[in-house]
Amino acid sequence: EIVLTQSPATLSLSPGERATLSCRASQSVSGNYLAWYQQKPGQAPRLLIDDASRRATGIPDRFSGSGSGTDFTLTISRLEPEDFVVYYCQQCGTSPLTFGGGTKVEIK
Amino acid sequence: EVQLVESGGDLVQPGGSLRLSCAASGFTFTTSYMTWVRQAPGKGLEWVANINPDGSETNYVDSVKGRFTISRDNTKNSLNLQMSSLRVEDTAVYYCSGGHGWESDYWGQGTLVTVSS
Repeated sequence: EIVLTQSPATLSLSPGERATLSCRASQSVSGNYLAWYQQKPGQAPRLLIDDASRRATGIPDRFSGSGSGTDFTLTISRLEPEDFVVYYCQQCGTSPLTFGGGTKVEIK
Repeated sequence: EVQLVESGGDLVQPGGSLRLSCAASGFTFTTSYMTWVRQAPGKGLEWVANINPDGSETNYVDSVKGRFTISRDNTKNSLNLQMSSLRVEDTAVYYCSGGHGWESDYWGQGTLVTVSS
C-alpha cells in the first residue's frame, strides 16, 4: 500500500498569501496519477487537480499542481477567504488507492 | 447537472448488514469509474472500493475485503455497496463518487452509517 504523507498538517497564512502544500508518497505513484481535493466543512470533497498538474473543470487558475514520482505539491497563488479549508491528496495509480491525512489551511 | 444521490445509511448493530445505493444522473454512467469513499466523524478521507465501467474489475481496501461488495447496474445508472459483518470502526459518512478514470470527479452528498449497540 502506498502511504501518502501530507505536510504541514496545518498551514497558517493570511488572505492574499501564497500556500504551498506537500504530498509525499512512500513509493513512486504510477503514471503520476495524483489528485488533489478540497473539502469545506459539512460538504463533500471537490476535485481540484488530477494527473498531478491538470486543473479540473471550473477550478480557478490560482490553484496549480506539480511534481512527479514521490513528491507532489499543490500551490494556491493568492489565498481567497474561501480557500481556508482542508485539502487532501490521493494516489490513483495503484490499488488500494490511498489518501493523505490532509492539510488544513487556516487564517493567521 | 451531475447528480449522485446516496441512500441507505442507518444505525445498525455490530455484526449487522446494510446496503447503500447511489443514483447517478447528468453524466454518462456507463463509461464512468465509480468509487465509495468514507469519512469517520472528525477524520480524513478513506478510499473503500471501486469498480470499472462494465463491472468486470473491483478493488477493496483490506479492512473491508470479504465483508463489503461493490456492484453497479448500468441499466439503472446505480451503484451499490453491500456491507456485512459491520464493525464499530465502519461508522462513517459514505460518499459515492465517479470519474473518467479512478479519480473522483463527481461526488454525492454522503450517507451516514452508524454501527453501534
